[in-house]
Amino acid sequence: GAVVSQHPSWVICKSGTSVKIECRSLDFQATTMFWYRQFPKQSLMLMATSNEGSKATYEQGVEKDKFLINHASLTLSTLTVTSAHPEDSSFYICSARGEGTSGSNEQFFGPGTRLTVL
Amino acid sequence: GENVEQHPSTLSVQEGDSAVIKCTYSDSASNYFPWYKQELGKRPQLIIDIRSNVGEKKDQRIAVTLNKTAKHFSLHITETQPEDSAVYFCAAKGVRKTGRRALTFGSGTRLQVQP
Repeated sequence: GAVVSQHPSWVICKSGTSVKIECRSLDFQATTMFWYRQFPKQSLMLMATSNEGSKATYEQGVEKDKFLINHASLTLSTLTVTSAHPEDSSFYICSARGEGTSGSNEQFFGPGTRLTVL
Repeated sequence: GENVEQHPSTLSVQEGDSAVIKCTYSDSASNYFPWYKQELGKRPQLIIDIRSNVGEKKDQRIAVTLNKTAKHFSLHITETQPEDSAVYFCAAKGVRKTGRRALTFGSGTRLQVQP
């Protein structure tokens, strides 16, 4: 149980285009989803926290107009990187926490999406 | 907000030896401390966690200790095996600058177990 999927697993795009990443909780309802970014050989940095049906809360330094987050249902959150540039190339990982999972503390991570912007 | 520091950044041990990774945190209100193992290009996998009302927890070859007074917690891996080689992250659930409680991760430790 507590499986989180992410799509796509990797994407290559041209500079200036927008990319949408989906994060789904497959067997539980995710009341809260988190989006992280991980640069090579670095730690996971929280970008934003989203609760179903409300606006996402962004961490300091993360541009909300560039990284659009939508958490329209209890099983799906999307991250759209708008007007992507090479410096946005990174590994984007979502995690979910919610009802039906083992305890309210544990977060379940998706497999990640590797974004490469040319 | 929470700040988590992790040491060492790299650790090389011989197969069968023990490995210890240490983390400190800043927010005394943090109450949940998970440890994750991440292999290259893959998602972090929870290997063990501990809550603030417990001082030690063990699961086979893996153990975690927590010292709330000193605000540090440690991961202990005994009888290491080559498949233990990965990057390990500690995390603490504390109050962030946004006021929300979320996980703050340490910088990671690259563990290499030499056969």
